Amino acid sequence: EAGVAQSPRYKIIEKRQSVAFWCNPISGHATLYWYQQILGQGPKLLIQFQNNGVVDDSQLPKDRFSAERLKGVDSTLKIQPAKLEDSAVYLCASSFSRGVMNEQFFGPGTRLTVL
Amino acid sequence: KNQVEQSPQSLIILEGKNCTLQCNYTVSPFSNLRWYKQDTGRGPVSLTIMTFSENTKSNGRYTATLDADTKQSSLHITASQLSDSASYICVVTLKAAGNKLTFGGGTRVLVKP
Repeated sequence: EAGVAQSPRYKIIEKRQSVAFWCNPISGHATLYWYQQILGQGPKLLIQFQNNGVVDDSQLPKDRFSAERLKGVDSTLKIQPAKLEDSAVYLCASSFSRGVMNEQFFGPGTRLTVL
Repeated sequence: KNQVEQSPQSLIILEGKNCTLQCNYTVSPFSNLRWYKQDTGRGPVSLTIMTFSENTKSNGRYTATLDADTKQSSLHITASQLSDSASYICVVTLKAAGNKLTFGGGTRVLVKP
């Protein structure tokens, strides 16, 4: 079974520029998550989708971050404009449902460096 | 203060030796506790998952324990291999927060030949 795909794998931009990340979840997985992982820390949830609806975006900095999941499959996460503190790995994960025992499968992540 | 604390932050062990990683959590009630392995440059991969009623779960050379009374969990790696070099992350699912995952900061393990 194919895993969660993410692109690009690496991105270097200057502060105040814009950037977008793409995620393709495992086929059939209704729930999709975007996490931010700063070096040396555990992942922090940014946004959770159930199909194409937002379930939780309480920790998403909405003044600069946006995400969408059109048609309930692929998703994009955008940062506009980027700040130095946005340098991190952005992980996408998917699960079959929101059930408590449902395992989340993670993609390889996109490493963002903001100069 | 992080609700899931892991120790040590990092450790170095020789190939073939055993090691134990610790996880203390303050959140409750929780639905389950998971241990993930994250290789450098990759996303986390689930190793074990335990509900509050379970006190041990094994996955090959990895054995996780859970003491819900003291809110502590440990991950024991037996006969370490070079491929065990990775970060190990303790994750608690919060029942009160809609089953949101709360991640610890991880323990970085380096296995040397």
